[in-house]
Amino acid sequence: DAGVTQSPTHLIKTRGQQVTLRCSPKSGHDTVSWYQQALGQGPQFIFQYYEEEERQRGNFPDRFSGHQFPNYSSELNVNALLLGDSALYLCASSIRDSIIYGYTFGSGTRLTVV
Amino acid sequence: KQEVTQIPAALSVPEGENLVLNCSFTDSAIYNLQWFRQDPGKGLTSLLLIQSSQREQTSGRLNASLDKSSGRSTLYIAASQPGDSATYLCAVRGSSNTGKLIFGQGTTLQVKP
Repeated sequence: DAGVTQSPTHLIKTRGQQVTLRCSPKSGHDTVSWYQQALGQGPQFIFQYYEEEERQRGNFPDRFSGHQFPNYSSELNVNALLLGDSALYLCASSIRDSIIYGYTFGSGTRLTVV
Repeated sequence: KQEVTQIPAALSVPEGENLVLNCSFTDSAIYNLQWFRQDPGKGLTSLLLIQSSQREQTSGRLNASLDKSSGRSTLYIAASQPGDSATYLCAVRGSSNTGKLIFGQGTTLQVKP
């Protein structure tokens, strides 16, 4: 049973460019959340999607946007990249409205902005 | 606003020792608390999930406790091994914001052979 799959694993972009990161949730999960983890810090919540809509958002600018597809997979888009966007981006999947089951995380995408 | 703190930030122990990692949170209105392990540059692996109504959970050499009223959780690792070396993160899921996890900054553990 595949867990959460993220692609690509590593990415190098130039300031001002745009980037798209992808996530496939664990089988049976319908909710996808995205987190940003700077070096030496705990992950910070970006937003959560279910039923193809953004349901909750953390304290991130509008340059961060996302999408969820009918098959529950998701994309994270970041526009006008800044050096400070360099981080590990983690995708987590879960079952909507279930607190019995926790979150399953992917291996992350390491984004470096130069 | 929920804040999660983990102490210590780093810990180094000899192999075989039993150890305790601490996690505290400021708002006791939580659904659950989850402990994760993170190897360098990797994603998060879930270790234990404790519901707000539970006091502890066990998995192998790991035992996590939860005292919601005092805003504290501990992760106990028995008979530590070099393979336990990693960063351990705790995260709470608040009952007022059901969608997101609030993480601590983690405790980096080194177990020396």
